[in-house]
Amino acid sequence: AQSVTQLDSQVPVFEEAPVELRCNYSSSVSVYLFWYVQYPNQGLQLLLKYLSGSTLVESINGFEAEFNKSQTSFHLRKPSVHISDTAEYFCAVRDSVAGGTSYGKLTFGQGTILTVHP
Amino acid sequence: DTAVSQTPKYLVTQMGNDKSIKCEQNLGHDTMYWYKQDSKKFLKIMFSYNNKELIINETVPNRFSPKSPDKAHLNLHINSLELGDSAVYFCASSLGPSDTQYFGPGTRLTVL
Repeated sequence: AQSVTQLDSQVPVFEEAPVELRCNYSSSVSVYLFWYVQYPNQGLQLLLKYLSGSTLVESINGFEAEFNKSQTSFHLRKPSVHISDTAEYFCAVRDSVAGGTSYGKLTFGQGTILTVHP
Repeated sequence: DTAVSQTPKYLVTQMGNDKSIKCEQNLGHDTMYWYKQDSKKFLKIMFSYNNKELIINETVPNRFSPKSPDKAHLNLHINSLELGDSAVYFCASSLGPSDTQYFGPGTRLTVL
């Protein structure tokens, strides 16, 4: 079984400050990792993903996340946030092993609400 | 040119009623999913279909029945609605079970 823990339920921050949203996971098999964002009253959008290769992945709007296998973490960072980054962020994990009973199933964390203040 | 669409966006109904939520994707994907997001924003998978075949069926009451008439559609039918069914239901699709999932806008179901 897999689980995802997002350590902070709410993160308030001022505009242009750096931010880190923490995510830890547990799994008995290799995993793929994802961050999704949900803006107010909207659906989920894929922000970035780690499948293989470089452990540092970036999104088009300045977020980055680093896969740390030894610490089983996939924290999301942005060096300078904007008001428009206010949203709820979900970390998710999925088996990378084909054919298992949970194959294809995304397991989500509880979400972190990022609120950017002017 | 919506990728994954759901109808309706909002659904308000009485306890005991039967209702359906429809999902369509125009991405040419083979795999589709239903997720439930409860009042605490916790997202949990309910079902997944690959090429119209059920591949994931989590512990969901049998009042919930998914139907996939073709690869582009995965509808969710709910019988005898209960208060606890109130949630936001998200449809998603991916090229295959191992590929990135793309989500629809969600359907907010309120059971009174």
